Amino acid sequence: GAVVSQHPSRVICKSGTSVKIECRSLDFQATTMFWYRQFPKQSLMLMATSNEGSKATYEQGVEKDKFLINHASLTLSTLTVTSAHPEDSSFYICSGSEIGGSDEQFFGPGTRLTVL
Amino acid sequence: EDQVTQSPEALRLQEGESSSLNCSYTVSGLRGLFWYRQDPGKGPEFLFTLYSAGEEKEKERLKATLTKKESFLHITAPKPEDSATYLCAVQAPGDYKLSFGAGTTVTVRA
Repeated sequence: GAVVSQHPSRVICKSGTSVKIECRSLDFQATTMFWYRQFPKQSLMLMATSNEGSKATYEQGVEKDKFLINHASLTLSTLTVTSAHPEDSSFYICSGSEIGGSDEQFFGPGTRLTVL
Repeated sequence: EDQVTQSPEALRLQEGESSSLNCSYTVSGLRGLFWYRQDPGKGPEFLFTLYSAGEEKEKERLKATLTKKESFLHITAPKPEDSATYLCAVQAPGDYKLSFGAGTTVTVRA
């Protein structure tokens, strides 16, 4: 399957700071990338869908000014958590769909964010 | 709104003890149903995509089936390395978003 990487794998930050998470498709081009959040013992919740070169589409209840998404190229999407607070602590996972490929999404390994 | 319900929530098996996981869904039409495996602290790993009722797919000890309202993931003669959380997700027509169920955590004891 196609490979997606995320960086960093884990980050600890102070409350009020901003954190950027990178998601890269390593061996395919992803027109669309998705950002999910997963709290302990819970399933993945879609936060937003990002298409290369256009604005992200956010799910209901997700603050677009707090979770900034940029999809500048077919292999890179970034999620910036602005003014992070302890309640933003979670496991953030991205995925990508291959251009002209099948419907499955290929997931990155996730980023564990802890806000102190 | 698409809904995906997985059962049981947790499943403890003895090595070699076959069992099935259930995923029931409500969606206006179905573009595809997906099964993923997730290990602790990792991202989901793709297993299968099913598109139409009656379809079946197999991979090693895993077999996925699909009806109009639910999907089953059968684990035949499981081994400890099959221990993981198995996630089911659906995709509606004209939409690439995935709606996930809560998952079934499978523990296989040697």
